[in-house]
Amino acid sequence: EPEVTQTPSHQVTQMGQEVILRCVPISNHLYFYWYRQILGQKVEFLVSFYNNEISEKSEIFDDQFSVERPDGSNFTLKIRSTKLEDSAMYFCASSERQLNTEAFFGQGTRLTVV
Amino acid sequence: AQSVAQPEDQVNVAEGNPLTVKCTYSVSGNPYLFWYVQYPNRGLQFLLKYITGDNLVKGSYGFEAEFNKSQTSFHLKKPSALVSDSALYFCAVRDILSGGYNKLIFGAGTRLAVHP
Repeated sequence: EPEVTQTPSHQVTQMGQEVILRCVPISNHLYFYWYRQILGQKVEFLVSFYNNEISEKSEIFDDQFSVERPDGSNFTLKIRSTKLEDSAMYFCASSERQLNTEAFFGQGTRLTVV
Repeated sequence: AQSVAQPEDQVNVAEGNPLTVKCTYSVSGNPYLFWYVQYPNRGLQFLLKYITGDNLVKGSYGFEAEFNKSQTSFHLKKPSALVSDSALYFCAVRDILSGGYNKLIFGAGTRLAVHP
């Protein structure tokens, strides 16, 4: 069964460093998303991406965040200068279409900023 | 404001008994509703969805959910719980009329514990 894969599963970084979280969405999917879950809190939407551009972003997704689809398979989330409060589980998801279809999620990357 | 509420942090049920995990929502327009399950060290797995049509929807692993528009609820149910159903369950809604139709709004999650 096709699945969304994320690497790495756990990333530890020093405050102020740049991190890139990587995702390989399901191959025939067209819509891509990043969500995050701070420990003990809700899963929160960060950004959606379609046709090589951001289609929607939340207020969390400020200038320190960026997304890219550098080739036909990868979808990345970059955090330019990490802060302690960026520590969270980051989930990538993809869907075939926007409406009527469910999003499939990866297993997550746990980011720890120290 | 759009929101999803899961009023129970944890639900405990004996194996073989029916289970219900509650979810209520508040959105503008017609909601698209989803249930996801998260096992330890795993991502969110899709269980089922309500888009339109029958209020009772059936999903994976024997789960079903009932959409109730008047009560704005979408409770997850299973007639006979298994120990392997123990996991964290998330209700989510996508509001197509707010312009945020890409975005899932999640509840806080309910931990289901099924005891042998």
